[in-house]
Amino acid sequence: ETVMTQSPATLSVSPGERVTLSCRASRSVSVSLAWYQQKPGQSPRLLIYAASSRAAGVPARFSGSGSGTEFRLSISGLQSEDFGIFYCQQYNNWPRTFGQGTRVEIK
Amino acid sequence: EVQLVQSGAEMRKPGQSLKISCKGSGYGFSNYWIGWVRQVAGKGLEWIGIIYPGDSDTRYSPSFQGHVTISADESLTTAFLQWTSLRASDTAIYYCARRGVANGSYTDFDTWGQGTLVTVSS
Repeated sequence: ETVMTQSPATLSVSPGERVTLSCRASRSVSVSLAWYQQKPGQSPRLLIYAASSRAAGVPARFSGSGSGTEFRLSISGLQSEDFGIFYCQQYNNWPRTFGQGTRVEIK
Repeated sequence: EVQLVQSGAEMRKPGQSLKISCKGSGYGFSNYWIGWVRQVAGKGLEWIGIIYPGDSDTRYSPSFQGHVTISADESLTTAFLQWTSLRASDTAIYYCARRGVANGSYTDFDTWGQGTLVTVSS
C-alpha cells in the first residue's frame, strides 16, 4: 500500500503566522491528494482536494501544492480557529491511505 | 443540503455481530461512492473501504478485508458496515463519508457522517 508520511508531528504556532505542513507518499499519487482538518470531538472536514483545489467554503488562507510524492498544506495568517489535527490522504492508489496527522496548536 | 446521518453508539461483546448504518440525503445516493473510516481513540484515521451504490462495486483495504462487509441499499439511500465476529480491537469511532465530485475532479471525502462509536468489551 501507499504509505503517507506527514511532518512535523506537532506544530505550536502564534496567530498571524504562516504554517506549512508536509506530506510525502511512498510512491506517486499524481495530484490525487486531499487534506482534512479534524477538531476534537468532530468529524474531519475536507479542506483541499486534487492537491491544490480548495473545498467549498474553505477560507483562502488555506492552500495546497505538490504532485507526485511531495505535498504541502500552507495556512497563511493562522487564526485561532485553525487548530486541530490535519491529515493528508491519497486517492490515486488502492487502498486509499491517510497520513498519521500533524497536530497544530495555537500558542 | 447533502447529509450523512449515522446510526447510534453500539456496545457488543467479543464474537458478536453488528451492522451500523449511514443514511444519505440531499443528493443522488446511487451516483456517489461512500466510504468508511475508522478512528481508534486518540489515534489517526484509517481507510476501511468504499462502495458505489449504483452497482455495488466495493473495494477494501487489505487490513480490513475479510473482517468487515460494506453494503448499500439504494431504496433506503443507506450504506452499511457490518461484522460477524467482533474483537475488542474493533473498539473505535467509525465514520462514513461521501466521495464528492467538483469541477470534473474527485474531491474524495467531501461530506462526513457524525460518527458511530462501537465498543467491544466482555
